Amino acid sequence: DAKTTQPPSMDCAEGRAANLPCNHSTISGNEYVYWYRQIHSQGPQYIIHGLKNNETNEMASLIITEDRKSSTLILPHATLRDTAVYYCIVRPTGAGSYQLTFGKGTKLSVIP
Amino acid sequence: NAGVMQNPRHLVRRRGQEARLRCSPMKGHSHVYWYRQLPEEGLKFMVYLQKENIIDESGMPKERFSAEFPKEGPSILRIQQVVRGDSAAYFCASSLGTGTHSYEQYFGPGTRLTVT
Repeated sequence: DAKTTQPPSMDCAEGRAANLPCNHSTISGNEYVYWYRQIHSQGPQYIIHGLKNNETNEMASLIITEDRKSSTLILPHATLRDTAVYYCIVRPTGAGSYQLTFGKGTKLSVIP
Repeated sequence: NAGVMQNPRHLVRRRGQEARLRCSPMKGHSHVYWYRQLPEEGLKFMVYLQKENIIDESGMPKERFSAEFPKEGPSILRIQQVVRGDSAAYFCASSLGTGTHSYEQYFGPGTRLTVT
């Protein structure tokens, strides 16, 4: 499985864009990048996923570099409710592709 | 559309007792997954079930732990003879399928098990 590396913590001012980086230099060509977040004491919440192209939905944007070795999750206008641990996950392919491997993630603190 | 439901939300057991954790998947979802989260750690996969079948239990301890997803009713994660090291948050997730476009797993609020 491709391993991911994320900074342990980040701060972001309320109303500003939060840019959360993730390195996945060993990702295979057909593996997806998934992002989940976990607000304190709650279950993980799916945010977005992508393969090669940049993706956007109502929650966030995902920018994947051309070589696919890294990606950035962008929350365009962070609010206090976005304070959470954000997990970048590379989804394996083939057997066991349903197993999501959560690392320690990035603890994002949105500051008033 | 109700999300994934888990109960109880908090469970306290003494060492040696049994713990039963329940999970009702999202409506229309037939794939259920259980994960465990130890304090200050990320979630770890335990088991994947479809109705009446265990597909993959490679992440589940070989002893004392079992899981089922009967034809009717919720999925059950059962821990027999609990020990202090079983104290953790247990999350259930469900998905519509396992293909590319139906793969997102939606998580429940979790059950926090405390063994005293």
